[in-house]
Amino acid sequence: GAVVSQHPSWVICKSGTSVKIECRSLDFQATTMFWYRQFPKQSLMLMATSNEGSKATYEQGVEKDKFLINHASLTLSTLTVTSAHPEDSSFYICSAFPGTGNSPLHFGNGTRLTVT
Amino acid sequence: DAKTTQPTSMDCAEGRAANLPCNHSTISGNEYVYWYRQIHSQGPQYIIHGLKNNETNEMASLIITEDRKSSTLILPHATLRDTAVYYCIRTSGNTPLVFGKGTRLSVIA
Repeated sequence: GAVVSQHPSWVICKSGTSVKIECRSLDFQATTMFWYRQFPKQSLMLMATSNEGSKATYEQGVEKDKFLINHASLTLSTLTVTSAHPEDSSFYICSAFPGTGNSPLHFGNGTRLTVT
Repeated sequence: DAKTTQPTSMDCAEGRAANLPCNHSTISGNEYVYWYRQIHSQGPQYIIHGLKNNETNEMASLIITEDRKSSTLILPHATLRDTAVYYCIRTSGNTPLVFGKGTRLSVIA
């Protein structure tokens, strides 16, 4: 079946540094990918929609200059958390549709970011 | 707004069927019902989806009421590895999923 791979699975960084998270569709092409964030004991919240070859669209309240999204190919989207702060510590999850119609959205296994 | 209502938590004995209800009384005619689950510290896993007919796959069965206002996910023989948060989501087309709080299912030995 369709597989979405995320890397790294966990990362610890110091406050003020930037962290890049990769999301790859392994056996299908994805013109659109979605990035979610999940804080402890909460549900997933959509951050942004990543569109191949164009700018990402961000949900209300998500700073586009802080969370840089690049979708340079049909199989790769990256999320860069710039100038990370402890409050950015969270579980980041990407997802993609493997096909058209009502094919289910497939999710990566998430990246646990801890900012110290 | 997830637009679905699920119980906060449920327990199920190992080996028994787990029946997880979901209310989606305002569902539109073109919206499907999707079920996902999230095991701790992992990404959500797709389980099953349906429009109006009951569906079954290797993981679960989905029973949708005739008026489509509610549905039930059935795990026929729950195991400890089925302990997770289960999300019932209504959606149409290739749009991002909106997650509610889901049901925390605990399978007990």
